[in-house]
Amino acid sequence: GQQLNQSPQSMFIQEGEDVSMNCTSSSIFNTWLWYKQDPGEGPVLLIALYKAGELTSNGRLTAQFGITRKDSFLNISASIPSDVGIYFCAGKHNNAGNMLTFGGGTRLMVKP
Amino acid sequence: DAGITQSPRHKVTETGTPVTLRCHQTENHRYMYWYRQDPGHGLRLIHYSYGVKDTDKGEVSDGYSVSRSKTEDFLLTLESATSSQTSVYFCAISESLELQETQYFGPGTRLLVL
Repeated sequence: GQQLNQSPQSMFIQEGEDVSMNCTSSSIFNTWLWYKQDPGEGPVLLIALYKAGELTSNGRLTAQFGITRKDSFLNISASIPSDVGIYFCAGKHNNAGNMLTFGGGTRLMVKP
Repeated sequence: DAGITQSPRHKVTETGTPVTLRCHQTENHRYMYWYRQDPGHGLRLIHYSYGVKDTDKGEVSDGYSVSRSKTEDFLLTLESATSSQTSVYFCAISESLELQETQYFGPGTRLLVL
């Protein structure tokens, strides 16, 4: 099955720095989702994007649905220690109902 | 938080033994899913259910079976566990198949097959 290409695989940053990560696909998605997974827990939805070009914020997080519908970006501003975790992108396609295709994840580590 | 529990949370078993993982929801959502998570692969869909006794295969269904006899419970069974099935297993639920509908995840079950 198809997997989204998510990059970078990991990041180690200083507290206060901004973070950017992205997901790309060879095919079009109609919905892009960004999840965060804390250690020992399941993924939790951060942001959902439903239209090409859409830019949506959730506190310090901002995500964009790429114009081509084949990519999405997540930015975290002024990182804090609790941002540590694994961030996953996921895409949904009209023809796949509610089935999600996940990226491989970006592991974020924040140094206080 | 969505009312989803998984049991057991951790399990160690031996190759060739049967294993059943349970997902229980209190949200009365119609759709339930089983995923496995492996490093670098994100989450991959094993099986899903669209109602009581209605299930279908996902991307990585070989070696797994599921059952759903009640709306609130979705069971994942490894008939004869193999080392390649060592993974973290997540259950998820959703209310509908609409694109805007979110999937909510349980806390996961960590399975080690020796």
